[in-house]
Amino acid sequence: EDQVTQSPEALRLQEGESSSLNCSYTVSGLRGLFWYRQDPGKGPEFLFTLYSAGEEKEKERLKATLTKKESFLHITAPKPEDSATYLCAVQARGSNYQLIWGAGTKLIIKP
Amino acid sequence: EPEVTQTPSHQVTQMGQEVILRCVPISNHLYFYWYRQILGQKVEFLVSFYNNEISEKSEIFDDQFSVERPDGSNFTLKIRSTKLEDSAMYFCASTSSGNTIYFGEGSWLTVV
Repeated sequence: EDQVTQSPEALRLQEGESSSLNCSYTVSGLRGLFWYRQDPGKGPEFLFTLYSAGEEKEKERLKATLTKKESFLHITAPKPEDSATYLCAVQARGSNYQLIWGAGTKLIIKP
Repeated sequence: EPEVTQTPSHQVTQMGQEVILRCVPISNHLYFYWYRQILGQKVEFLVSFYNNEISEKSEIFDDQFSVERPDGSNFTLKIRSTKLEDSAMYFCASTSSGNTIYFGEGSWLTVV
C-alpha cells in the first residue's frame, strides 16, 4: 500500500534556527514527490516537485531533496512568516496524477 | 499568477440536504480533482476527472457524490444527501501535465 509519513508532527524553532523536515514514503513506482505549504484554513500552496533520487530544488529559504525512500525539506534561517504546516505528497506511476498525502509537519518560528 | 477559485468559501447545511461545491480550474488545465480534509486529518483524494469523465475515484466517493463539468470553465462536486461525517474542507485542484498541481482555497462544509 502506498504510504507517506512525515516527521516530526510539530517543530518549534527560534527565528534564524535552521532545521529539516522529513517525509518518508513507500509507493509502487514514484512518479513525483510534492511539497506544499498550508496556512490555517487555506488550500495547499505548491512549493516543489521532485522526480528522481539526488534531485534538489530551492526556493528562498527552502531546499527540498529526494532519495529513494525519503525527502527532506531544509529550512535555512527561518523567519516567523515561514510558520505553516508543510505537507508532503507522492504521485504514483500509472495514476491519473492524484496525490497521496502525509499528515504534515506544523512549523512554528518564534521571533 | 493563474489560480483555482472555489465557491462558496463556507457553507452550513442541514443533514440530508444536497450541496453543490463549485470550482473554476485554471483555464488551460486538463485534469481536475476533488480532495477533502477533515479537521486535523490528512488530505484525502476523492475523484479525478479527465476528458469529461471520471478517471479514478476513492472509496470515499460513493453514490452520494457526483462531479460534473457543465460548461468549459466550471467543475462541480455534488453531495446528494449530506451526513455529519461529510463536514470537511473540500479542495478543488487542477493540472495540465501532473507536474505542478494547483489547489483552490477550499470550501468549508459544515453539516449540522
